[in-house]
Amino acid sequence: GAVVSQHPSWVICKSGTSVKIECRSLDFQATTMFWYRQFPKQSLMLMATSNEGSKATYEQGVEKDKFLINHASLTLSTLTVTSAHPEDSSFYICSARVAGVRAEQFFGPGTRLTVL
Amino acid sequence: QKEVEQNSGPLSVPEGAIASLNCTYSDRGSQSFFWYRQYSGKSPELIMFIYSNGDKEDGRFTAQLNKASQYVSLLIRDSQPSDSATYLCAVLDTGRRALTFGSGTRLQVQP
Repeated sequence: GAVVSQHPSWVICKSGTSVKIECRSLDFQATTMFWYRQFPKQSLMLMATSNEGSKATYEQGVEKDKFLINHASLTLSTLTVTSAHPEDSSFYICSARVAGVRAEQFFGPGTRLTVL
Repeated sequence: QKEVEQNSGPLSVPEGAIASLNCTYSDRGSQSFFWYRQYSGKSPELIMFIYSNGDKEDGRFTAQLNKASQYVSLLIRDSQPSDSATYLCAVLDTGRRALTFGSGTRLQVQP
């Protein structure tokens, strides 16, 4: 099946710093990647949709200046959490959609962010 | 607001039994439906997708779709303790091409 990787798998940082999370599709080209956030015992909440070569589309309530998304190639999207605060601590998961008519999304392993 | 509803559970079944997980959705125009399994601390793993009314079988898993009732279900036959996880129902938003997830049903398979 399609493999999606994320790096790092976990990160601990101080309040006010920025953290970059990478999402890569390893064996397929992904024209669209999605970024989700999941708080404990809650479901996945879509943060933004990232299309290669264009600006990301953010969901309502997600600050685009705080969560910077770049989709520079068909296999790489990055999420940068700028000036992180403790309330940004969460499980961040990316997914990639196979190019073409099929709609399945394949998820990366997730990145657990803890902001002290 | 397009919604996907699931019973949060936990749903407890004995080993070897059939587990039945249910999901309803609000957008009558939805065409694609997915079931994901998520173990604690891990990301979701795609189990099955279904696009057409009726049943779709894959090994021990059967997805059932009834678009008229806006209802999709997942049956797990011969449930194993390793099936214990949270099962997420997801519906594709055809406009945004993004998935809307239900809150998940926690399944516990008792040995």
